[in-house]
Amino acid sequence: EPEVTQTPSHQVTQMGQEVILRCVPISNHLYFYWYRQILGQKVEFLVSFYNNEISEKSEIFDDQFSVERPDGSNFTLKIRSTKLEDSAMYFCASRLGQGSTYEQYFGPGTRLTVT
Amino acid sequence: SQQGEEDPQALSIQEGENATMNCSYKTSINNLQWYRQNSGRGLVHLILIRSNEREKHSGRLRVTLDTSKKSSSLLITASRAADTASYFCATAGNSGNTPLVFGKGTRLSVIA
Repeated sequence: EPEVTQTPSHQVTQMGQEVILRCVPISNHLYFYWYRQILGQKVEFLVSFYNNEISEKSEIFDDQFSVERPDGSNFTLKIRSTKLEDSAMYFCASRLGQGSTYEQYFGPGTRLTVT
Repeated sequence: SQQGEEDPQALSIQEGENATMNCSYKTSINNLQWYRQNSGRGLVHLILIRSNEREKHSGRLRVTLDTSKKSSSLLITASRAADTASYFCATAGNSGNTPLVFGKGTRLSVIA
């Protein structure tokens, strides 16, 4: 069964460094998302992406964040200058988006630790 | 606004018993989805119920939706130790294309 994959599974970085989190959505899906989950807290929406552009973003998704679909398969989240409070689990999700299909399928996540 | 609040926050049951988790939300929705998360792992999609549906089944899972009360419940029948996980409800707004809004989750422990 197709699944969303994410790399790396764990990333440790120093405050102020740039990180890129990578995701490969399910191949025929059209909508892509990033969410994050700070330890012990809710899963929070960051950004959605459709037709090669951001379709919606949350207040969390400030100028330090950017997303890109550099080729036909990868979907990346870049944090330009990491802060301690960016430490969280980051989940990528994708959705088919055709007809009335609303299920979002999540990857296993990347645990980001900012020291 | 807070959306998708589950209760109880934690639930502990014996293997073979049924587990019921509830979710309440505040705004109009297109659909409500339930996810499972094993400790420190990813989110696994369990079931989706649309706003015009009242009940849905999938294997040992039964989901109900009451849009007048803005609430949903997830019933897991004949629970197993492997069902031990956190369960989250997530709502999608009217267009269905809006991002999911998650609740805080219910931590289910099934004791063998």
